[in-house]
Amino acid sequence: QLQLQESGPGLVKASETLSLTCTVSGGSISSSSDYWGWIRQPPGKGLEWIGCIYNSGNSNYNPSLKSRVTISVDTSRNQFSLKLSPVTAADTAVYYCANYGTFTGRFDFWGQGTLVTVSS
Amino acid sequence: EIVMTQSPATLSVFPGERATLSCRASQSVNNYLAWYQQKPGQAPRLLIYGASTRATGIPARFSGSGSGTEFTLTISSLQSEDFAVYYCQQSNNWPLTFGGGTKVEIK
Repeated sequence: QLQLQESGPGLVKASETLSLTCTVSGGSISSSSDYWGWIRQPPGKGLEWIGCIYNSGNSNYNPSLKSRVTISVDTSRNQFSLKLSPVTAADTAVYYCANYGTFTGRFDFWGQGTLVTVSS
Repeated sequence: EIVMTQSPATLSVFPGERATLSCRASQSVNNYLAWYQQKPGQAPRLLIYGASTRATGIPARFSGSGSGTEFTLTISSLQSEDFAVYYCQQSNNWPLTFGGGTKVEIK
């Protein structure tokens, strides 16, 4: 079964760059037909899709974040990453990585999530 | 961007009762609609995809229906473990969008 694990700093200063990595196990990004995505959830609020990337590097982003977001993939490490810059307090959230079925349109497997707090 | 609107925001239900949750899309998403359950401190869990297909391991008391712009998630007889927040998500168009969620609480 696929497992995903987010990693990265839990505290980022305002105006700097949030960087997170998702490590995938139990399956190969390079041989998968899935997209690999990031979703976030501010404390006490709902889910917000950030973006998705395919193993070829083809990506789609939330228009509201597109100017600040970069998602990349490293198939040799079986990882994909999120960069968000510059950040503000409004970017404080739990960040989840998940796989997204290209043909099913669903997020099947999720990481446990990691809280990133933006400090002033 | 397709806006997903869920109602009600909070649903109070007695254990054993039926719960009906609604999700409306601002334009047709065909049947590209998924439902997720989220409990406090946990990641969301896929319940339903394709508007009506239960994901692996999901109990039969969960059912989804609808197409186009109107969708429903029904929990036929609420168990204690079903009290949680439920989200719908469309995948008919990029950008992917989620509804605001419905919290199902014990009455």
